Parts: sequence; C-alpha cells; structure tokens
Amino acid sequence: SSELTQDPVVSVALGQTVRITCQGDNLRNYYASWYQQKPGQAPVLVIYDKDNRPSGIPDRFSGSSSGNTASLTITGAQAEDEADYYCNSRDSTGDVLFGGGTKLTVL
Amino acid sequence: QLQLQESGPGLVKPSETLSLTCSVSGGSISSSNYCWGWIRQPPGAGLEWIGSIYYSGTTYYNPSLKSRVTVSVDTYKNQFSLMLSSVTAADTAVYYCARHALSGALDYWGQGTLVTVSS
Repeated sequence: SSELTQDPVVSVALGQTVRITCQGDNLRNYYASWYQQKPGQAPVLVIYDKDNRPSGIPDRFSGSSSGNTASLTITGAQAEDEADYYCNSRDSTGDVLFGGGTKLTVL
Repeated sequence: QLQLQESGPGLVKPSETLSLTCSVSGGSISSSNYCWGWIRQPPGAGLEWIGSIYYSGTTYYNPSLKSRVTVSVDTYKNQFSLMLSSVTAADTAVYYCARHALSGALDYWGQGTLVTVSS
C-alpha cells in the first residue's frame, strides 16, 4: 500500500522559516494536505490540496509540491506554532493516507 | 458552522465490538462533495485512518482493519457510525470523526473520544 514519510522531529528558531516535508509516490498524482495538532486537541487543517489555506489560518503557513514530495513552510515561526504536523493524501483506490507526523519545536 | 460530535462507550472489553456514532450538525451529511470518515490515534502515536463512507453508502476501509470494520450512514438522523469487532488493547485510542473531500483533505473534525479496551 502507499505510504507517506515525514521526518519525526524538526526544530526552528523563533522568527525563522522552517520547511516540513512529506514523501510518497502517490503525491505525484494526488494533492497533499497538512494538519496541526497540539496536545490534547483534535487536528486542525492548515493547508489543503497542496497550497490552499483555510479561512482563519495565518498566511505564514504555505504549501507546495514537487515530484513525490509535498512541503509545508512556516515563514516566521511563532511560539504557538510548536505542535505536531501531519500530512495526508489519498491513493488511487480512494483510501486516505497519513504521514507519521513531525514534531516541530520552536527554539 | 459544521460541527461533528462523537458518542459511545469509553470502555470496551477485549474481543467485544467497539461502536461509535458521529452526529453532524450545521450541515447535511448528504452532500455529494464529501465523505465522512473515522480516524484514530493511539496514546502517544500518530493518526490512522480507519474508514470512510459516502452519503450514498459507498465505503472505503483501511486494508489493515478491513476485516473488522463497518462504517454506516443514517441520512435521516444526519449521523454516521463505526463498528470495530474483536477489539484488543491495541485498539485503545482517541477516535475522531471527520468530514473529508474526495482529495482526502479533512476539514471538519469532532473533538475526539477516548476508547479504552480493557477487562
């Protein structure tokens, strides 16, 4: 079955830019979406269908994709951005896929 | 504003069937552009998709759980449900219901409900 791979841990200095990546063969054909999850809370959609930002999500969050890799970029990371981030997509059969998650630490 | 709310027992015995319901308010479950899904998260672990259903009744299941999972929809009650049979301690998790687009993007989530499998 298809898989999505993320780096388990990423850190960024306060105010700097960080890129979180997600790799998977299905990303060549299907869009990735991204979620932020803070402890004890449900995930929140921050980017959908590669590069679209839902209403209410700060514009420092952006998405992109190239080949088999999707990226979530936070430009000017804030302390409140410290969280777990998950990518997701679908495969050719309609199944939903999740990456393993990336723990972002803001230093 | 669409809202989803999970309900069901918080404790299930091993070998029994876990049953949860997701009530949808603020919108119709019969929308042709969306599926309705279940996702779980074991303590300290990542997100795992369990299965989804289209309002017409078409279902999609995680291959690793397919033999034990049933997702159903009740359009009259604006609800959808999850049944997971023959549970073990490995099924202990926070269970979320969510709406997702055909692309897989999950835009509305319930708050989640912890289900513990223990005797």
